[in-house]
Amino acid sequence: GAGVSQSPSNKVTEKGKDVELRCDPISGHTALYWYRQSLGQGLEFLIYFQGNSAPDKSGLPSDRFSAERTGGSVSTLTIQRTQQEDSAVYLCASSLSPGHIYGYTFGSGTRLTVV
Amino acid sequence: QKEVEQNSGPLSVPEGAIASLNCTYSDRGSQSFFWYRQYSGKSPELIMFIYSNGDKEDGRFTAQLNKASQYVSLLIRDSQPSDSATYLCAVPGANSKLTFGKGITLSVRP
Repeated sequence: GAGVSQSPSNKVTEKGKDVELRCDPISGHTALYWYRQSLGQGLEFLIYFQGNSAPDKSGLPSDRFSAERTGGSVSTLTIQRTQQEDSAVYLCASSLSPGHIYGYTFGSGTRLTVV
Repeated sequence: QKEVEQNSGPLSVPEGAIASLNCTYSDRGSQSFFWYRQYSGKSPELIMFIYSNGDKEDGRFTAQLNKASQYVSLLIRDSQPSDSATYLCAVPGANSKLTFGKGITLSVRP
C-alpha cells in the first residue's frame, strides 16, 4: 500500500478483555516496529520484526503482550487481559530494511482505551 | 541503554521568530539523529536527520549536531502557526530501533 495502515483507529475495551491491533506495512518493507505512546509520554519501543522473525522483543512490558507477523507483511499485536495502564496509542512503523537509517514511516496508530 | 533528554518546554514563540529546540543524548557512540514532528492526534513524521557535526539546513529548518557536547538542536526560522506541534528527538540503535525523547511542544502565536 501507499502508507502504513493500522486498524482499528480506535478501540474501547473492558478491563480483562483481549484485543488485537493490526498493522499493514508499506509493500516491500521488511522491517516493522511497534511503539506505544501513553498520555504525556514519549514513544516507547515494544517489538521489532525482520521478515516474520522478532529478533528484538525487549520492549514488551509483560507476558500479556505478544505479536506476530505473517508473510513478511501484516503484523498483529495482541494484548491479553487488558489493564487500564494499557491505554495508549499504539503505533506501527516500517522501513525498507533494518539498516535503512533514514527514518521510517509511521502508521496513524490505534488509540486503545481500557475502561 | 541509550537515553535521550528533551527537558525544555513547552515553548511559545511569536510568528516570524526563531524557535530553538534542544536535545541531549547519553551514548557518545551515537552516529545519527532524527527530528520528528507530531501534530496533535497524529503520528510522528520525519522532518530532519543529521549525522555529521555542524549544521544541516532544509528550508526553514536547521539541525545542529555537537558530538563533543552530546547535543542536537533544531532551529525553525520564520516560525509559522502551522509549526505548532510536538517535536521529538530520536537516536537509532541496533536494527534501527529508535529511542525517543519525550518531546517539546511548540506553540507559535499569530
